[in-house]
Amino acid sequence: SQTIHQWPATLVQPVGSPLSLECTVEGTSNPNLYWYRQAAGRGLQLLFYSVGIGQISSEVPQNLSASRPQDRQFILSSKKLLLSDSGFYLCAWSLNSYEQYFGPGTRLTVT
Amino acid sequence: GENVEQHPSTLSVQEGDSAVIKCTYSDSASNYFPWYKQELGKRPQLIIDIRSNVGEKKDQRIAVTLNKTAKHFSLHITETQPEDSAVYFCAAILANQAGTALIFGKGTTLSVSS
Repeated sequence: SQTIHQWPATLVQPVGSPLSLECTVEGTSNPNLYWYRQAAGRGLQLLFYSVGIGQISSEVPQNLSASRPQDRQFILSSKKLLLSDSGFYLCAWSLNSYEQYFGPGTRLTVT
Repeated sequence: GENVEQHPSTLSVQEGDSAVIKCTYSDSASNYFPWYKQELGKRPQLIIDIRSNVGEKKDQRIAVTLNKTAKHFSLHITETQPEDSAVYFCAAILANQAGTALIFGKGTTLSVSS
């Protein structure tokens, strides 16, 4: 069966520091991969999605970037964090572009 | 691009009552509409979905209806129980040359009191 991992689970970073969040999927090949952000008490905002290695689409221009160096690995990065980057970051995967399954998330606090 | 509106933002019901959450979408080409349940501090979980070739789908106490002409869909929960308390999100599929992704509504916080 498929499993999705995210790490770290929690992270506290100062403003202006870099960020790297990792997501990996096991038990499947060539998944569609997604990054979402959920601010406290808010909805799910689509940040990036990828249909294959090196293919990244951005939904919201901001100081974040994403990369997909391997088929089942999706990385979210920032060179300089802002206070507004705090939130719950969720990675998700899909095989058929329909049913989408979320990872456990990373809770990021920028201080 | 796709835009999804969801209401109400909060909903309080008594145990045993029914709950209805409604969503509208903007892209008439959307053909897939899932609903997710998110408990506090946890990841969203897919609870039911519907594709555009059907008007209604049921799974025990949960049902979803779709009106493609009006571009709206609804989640119906019957005989609510305290464990139904959570945030519920609707979504519609965004499709373009880069691929597909889900665009979510802002969520409905459902509280079921016993």
